[in-house]
Amino acid sequence: DAGVTQSPTHLIKTRGQQVTLRCSPKSGHDTVSWYQQALGQGPQFIFQYYEEEERQRGNFPDRFSGHQFPNYSSELNVNALLLGDSALYLCASSPLHTSSYEQYFGPGTRLTVT
Amino acid sequence: ILNVEQSPQSLHVQEGDSTNFTCSFPSSNFYALHWYRWETAKSPEALFVMTLNGDEKKKGRISATLNTKEGYSYLYIKGSQPEDSATYLCAFILKYAGGTSYGKLTFGQGTILTVHP
Repeated sequence: DAGVTQSPTHLIKTRGQQVTLRCSPKSGHDTVSWYQQALGQGPQFIFQYYEEEERQRGNFPDRFSGHQFPNYSSELNVNALLLGDSALYLCASSPLHTSSYEQYFGPGTRLTVT
Repeated sequence: ILNVEQSPQSLHVQEGDSTNFTCSFPSSNFYALHWYRWETAKSPEALFVMTLNGDEKKKGRISATLNTKEGYSYLYIKGSQPEDSATYLCAFILKYAGGTSYGKLTFGQGTILTVHP
């Protein structure tokens, strides 16, 4: 059983460009959350998708947007990249009807903005 | 803004030492607390999901306790081994009005553990 997968592994972009990161959740999971981990900090919640809708959002600007597809996979889009967007982006999925919300994480995408 | 604090920030111990870390979180509107272990170049992996005041969980040499009234959790590692070297993260889940939650994790900054052979 494949766990959570993310692509690409690493990415280098230039300030002002746009980027799309992809996530496939663990089999049987319908909820996908995205987190940003900057150097020296814990992961910060960006948003969560459930039933193809954004269900919750953290304190991130509108430049950060997402999408969830009918197969539960998800994309994170960041427009007008800033140097401060350089970070590790983690995707996490959780199963149907969970009360504990235990989350299964992917290995992350390392984004570098130059 | 929720404040989740972990201490210490980093820890170096010798193989065989026992160690413990602390996670502090808001004592109101508690839904759950998670502990994750994150080894270098791997994905964060859930260690414990704790929901009730007084919870004690154990997995091998690792155990955790929870005090929701005072807002802290301890993670203990007995007889540390080099393979325990990792970043240990705690994450708080807030309870919304009506007792629901959607599982948004608010993380501490983590404790980096290095176990020397």
